[in-house]
Amino acid sequence: DADVTQTPRNRITKTGKRIMLECSQTKGHDRMYWYRQDPGLGLRLIYYSFDVKDINKGEISDGYSVSRQAQAKFSLSLESAIPNQTALYFCATSEAGTGAAKNIQYFGAGTRLSVL
Amino acid sequence: LAKTTQPISMDSYEGQEVNITCSHNNIATNDYITWYQQFPSQGPRFIIQGYKTKVTNEVASLFIPADRKSSTLSLPRVSLSDTAVYYCLVESGGGADGLTFGKGTHLIIQP
Repeated sequence: DADVTQTPRNRITKTGKRIMLECSQTKGHDRMYWYRQDPGLGLRLIYYSFDVKDINKGEISDGYSVSRQAQAKFSLSLESAIPNQTALYFCATSEAGTGAAKNIQYFGAGTRLSVL
Repeated sequence: LAKTTQPISMDSYEGQEVNITCSHNNIATNDYITWYQQFPSQGPRFIIQGYKTKVTNEVASLFIPADRKSSTLSLPRVSLSDTAVYYCLVESGGGADGLTFGKGTHLIIQP
């Protein structure tokens, strides 16, 4: 089983709909992240959480919200989806690490979202 | 914020050694350099991480000069399966600074 699991893997929705993407991990890491990737571009950070009570905005948080329900779960919501939120979304986890294991991130398989 | 600069794309052939250089002129004292590999429609995968000099693992080597303003990922004897996008990140692990993957380097390996 994957250490970082994203659900759903694919989703098609309509403009204005609320949608939630879920991420769960079995790695026991405190830190979790949500990224967005558009075709031909790198990953851009949406939100990140360093522990259950910590939520931080990333580079492109507008139009998104998150919830850290437990150490193992971090969900991303689009309150009112719009077409330019069509993208590939990745969840990642890391531990703070010491020495040579500084913040190495482990990614899920991604959720492909299409907003029509 | 340590910004990184990498070539957009590179080509090579099977069996060759490939070196991808990343520039990070304003790297901070606490920053580490981390490289990831991404195949199409998959999440990035950690390759190697270093702070200074040279680091080697079973997949790659990472060379970091004394001034740490650049780093070079070296892939020995590449194969077709090494065709992927490679990202260089510079960050200290203390926040979101540096958690920008950029466009990476698209490495294409030909037969």
